[in-house]
Amino acid sequence: NAGVTQTPKFRVLKTGQSMTLLCAQDMNHEYMYWYRQDPGMGLRLIHYSVGEGTTAKGEVPDGYNVSRLKKQNFLLGLESAAPSQTSVYFCASSEDTDLSAYNEQFFGPGTRLTVL
Amino acid sequence: GESVGLHLPTLSVQEGDNSIINCAYSNSASDYFIWYKQESGKGPQFIIDIRSNMDKRQGQRVTVLLNKTVKHLSLQIAATQPGDSAVYFCAEAGRGGSNYKLTFGKGTLLTVNP
Repeated sequence: NAGVTQTPKFRVLKTGQSMTLLCAQDMNHEYMYWYRQDPGMGLRLIHYSVGEGTTAKGEVPDGYNVSRLKKQNFLLGLESAAPSQTSVYFCASSEDTDLSAYNEQFFGPGTRLTVL
Repeated sequence: GESVGLHLPTLSVQEGDNSIINCAYSNSASDYFIWYKQESGKGPQFIIDIRSNMDKRQGQRVTVLLNKTVKHLSLQIAATQPGDSAVYFCAEAGRGGSNYKLTFGKGTLLTVNP
């Protein structure tokens, strides 16, 4: 199993350009997440999905949109990129949540995005 | 120790020594506390978790301690190895009944000297 994969690995955008980051998982997980990580900081949740066709806002959703058309894929879109969106983006997935236990989130390798 | 709002702390240890990484959390309502390891250029990797009704949990070479009185979490790594060099994050889960939403701390950089 490849686990969680992300494409692309690196990208440079100019202010105002748009792009889509793709996340794919082959573990049949219901839940998927997008985080951003800025220098010297922990990860912050952008959007998440609790199943195919569902999406919800996380801690820092502004400027981003997401779609979960297929269970195995979770797309993160930037419609009009801004320098403040320069960051490393991580996708993660987990099984159905069970309040009697913590279900580990499996992370992808990340996408480094620079917005000029 | 680590806490949301502080600069990234660092810890340097000699190979073979035990390491203790600390984390202060703010939300008493969190159900789970989790430690993740992030190696340079990679995504975070789960290490261990502990439920809020526990004080201690052990894994392979790692122990997590939870002190709810002072809202403090620690990760102990026994016989630290060069491969343990990474940034370690504590995270909280379970606020509002959703144990899948993680709130991360800022991390501690562990450097293991051979």
